[in-house]
Amino acid sequence: NAGVMQNPRHLVRRRGQEARLRCSPMKGHSHVYWYRQLPEEGLKFMVYLQKENIIDESGMPKERFSAEFPKEGPSILRIQQVVRGDSAAYFCASSRGDRGHEQYFGPGTRLTVT
Amino acid sequence: RKEVEQDPGPFNVPEGATVAFNCTYSNSASQSFFWYRQDCRKEPKLLMSVYSSGNEDGRFTAQLNRASQYISLLIRDSKLSDSATYLCVVNMNSNYQLIWGAGTKLIIKP
Repeated sequence: NAGVMQNPRHLVRRRGQEARLRCSPMKGHSHVYWYRQLPEEGLKFMVYLQKENIIDESGMPKERFSAEFPKEGPSILRIQQVVRGDSAAYFCASSRGDRGHEQYFGPGTRLTVT
Repeated sequence: RKEVEQDPGPFNVPEGATVAFNCTYSNSASQSFFWYRQDCRKEPKLLMSVYSSGNEDGRFTAQLNRASQYISLLIRDSKLSDSATYLCVVNMNSNYQLIWGAGTKLIIKP
């Protein structure tokens, strides 16, 4: 039973480019969450999605960031026109939505903006 | 006041010792509680879910005190591999969103 999958594991982008991060939830999970973690800091919630719906994007920066979870395929976190401050680890988690929303995390994507 | 508060540590503990962490939460409506561990540069991993007064899993025991609004994690016979950051997480009622503590860093020394 595969866990949460994220790719790429490492992504290097130059300032101004676009970054696309992918997340496939665990089998049987229909809820996806994205978090950002800066070095030596805690997890920061970004967005919560179910299939074809954004439920809560209160943690997303207002510009340049978007997320989707289409009917088919992985969830995508998209960062347009990246800046150095976007360099961070981006973790995706999934849950079934029950059991108090236990979340299981993928290995993360480490984005470096040069 | 933060919604979930933890002592950041680090806790430096000799191998074999018992160590305990506390975590306080501000919202009395909180229903579900979790402990995660996170190793350096890795993803958080669910360690224990705490749904009632507490539960035990091997060397790990989690306790919930609703009256005082805190949860604790006890690690007995600590191993070098227990070195990590331990994250306290709270879920309010049926709200999907988990509120994360900043974590307590544990260092087990040989």
